[in-house]
Amino acid sequence: GESVGLHLPTLSVQEGDNSIINCAYSNSASDYFIWYKQESGKGPQFIIDIRSNMDKRQGQRVTVLLNKTVKHLSLQIAATQPGDSAVYFCAENVGAGGTSYGKLTFGQGTILTVHP
Amino acid sequence: DAGITQSPRYKITETGRQVTLMCHQTWSHSYMFWYRQDLGHGLRLIYYSAAADITDKGEVPDGYVVSRSKTENFPLTLESATRSQTSVYFCASLAGKGEQYFGPGTRLTVT
Repeated sequence: GESVGLHLPTLSVQEGDNSIINCAYSNSASDYFIWYKQESGKGPQFIIDIRSNMDKRQGQRVTVLLNKTVKHLSLQIAATQPGDSAVYFCAENVGAGGTSYGKLTFGQGTILTVHP
Repeated sequence: DAGITQSPRYKITETGRQVTLMCHQTWSHSYMFWYRQDLGHGLRLIYYSAAADITDKGEVPDGYVVSRSKTENFPLTLESATRSQTSVYFCASLAGKGEQYFGPGTRLTVT
């Protein structure tokens, strides 16, 4: 979930386990949500997205769930692998259109560590 | 090579100096963004651009200037660097509504 201050939430799992990373978003008007993965020393990388008119979307080994009632987003990673170790960010689209199209607000991130 | 590149990758500068961080993308994406990333704050938007010659402020624009004379380039200038601007800077371009492609980042240290 979101963190306050200098310490990011952490999740430590064993290889092969399923991982669930949570995120609370802030803007009830946001209509688009995205998960990004950031490996050490690299820029964030798009994983999966979901629109506000959906509550679930599946990708390859990943599923995103959206609960608009409580403004909560989660990322589920199946059969977690050591290569999944990274910081995961949720982001919400706050732009209604025009020059704000695609403008994102990022959460603070969750550190996922996968142990072999 | 196709993609988004940033230069320099590492920079050390002194307080008060002007510094320009470069960003170049080969996809001709209309939208581009500059973020800074600090521990405890995640990614914060500095400036963004919807097209050449169209730019707008993000969450933390003070002390920064951008320009976009060509679609593929989006330089970020620190007019008079301060220690609080020590950070990792990421440039991104927009492929789809939320799908931003990020560069590798520039690690800037202001002494």
